[in-house]
Amino acid sequence: NAGVTQTPKFQVLKTGQSMTLQCAQDMNHEYMSWYRQDPGMGLRLIHYSVGAGITDQGEVPNGYNVSRSTTEDFPLRLLSAAPSQTSVYFCASTPPGGSGNTIYFGEGSWLTVV
Amino acid sequence: AQSVTQPDIHITVSEGASLELRCNYSYGATPYLFWYVQSPGQGLQLLLKYFSGDTLVQGIKGFEAEFKRSQSSFNLRKPSVHWSDAAEYFCAVGAGYGQNFVFGPGTRLSVLP
Repeated sequence: NAGVTQTPKFQVLKTGQSMTLQCAQDMNHEYMSWYRQDPGMGLRLIHYSVGAGITDQGEVPNGYNVSRSTTEDFPLRLLSAAPSQTSVYFCASTPPGGSGNTIYFGEGSWLTVV
Repeated sequence: AQSVTQPDIHITVSEGASLELRCNYSYGATPYLFWYVQSPGQGLQLLLKYFSGDTLVQGIKGFEAEFKRSQSSFNLRKPSVHWSDAAEYFCAVGAGYGQNFVFGPGTRLSVLP
């Protein structure tokens, strides 16, 4: 069982470049989300989706776009990368039932913007 | 708004010593509380979670946590630390619609031989 799969694991971008972080889950979870992790700040929610065709902003959405065309996939797009977006990105999915359920994380994507 | 604080940025303990990592939360309703561990260069692994009922929760790897509503705390404990426990630990509260979570800033644990 693959769980939550993120690609790429490492990426270096130049300022202004665009890229997409891919995320896929095979657990048929409706709820998916993207977090970024920065030193001393824990994980902060970027965007989330409660199901195919539905997305919403989290705490730090600026500079990022998402879409959810299928239950399985939830890509995160950086349209014009900035050094402030250097971070570790985690995709996550959660089974239905509210905030009490365990969140399943991908292994992370380390992004450096130079 | 929900928030989580972890007062200790970095803790160093000797192998075999006991451990307590502090977590305080701010949330208007009954919280769902979690502790995650992250080894260097790795993703996050769930250690334990509290939903309701018994306020002392047992987790994996010999960890436990106690929910104290009066103190808005959910401290993580382990009676005897192993060198492999060196990692960063995150406390989180389930909050808001759906399955959004608010994470604390993390506590880095170093273990001396």
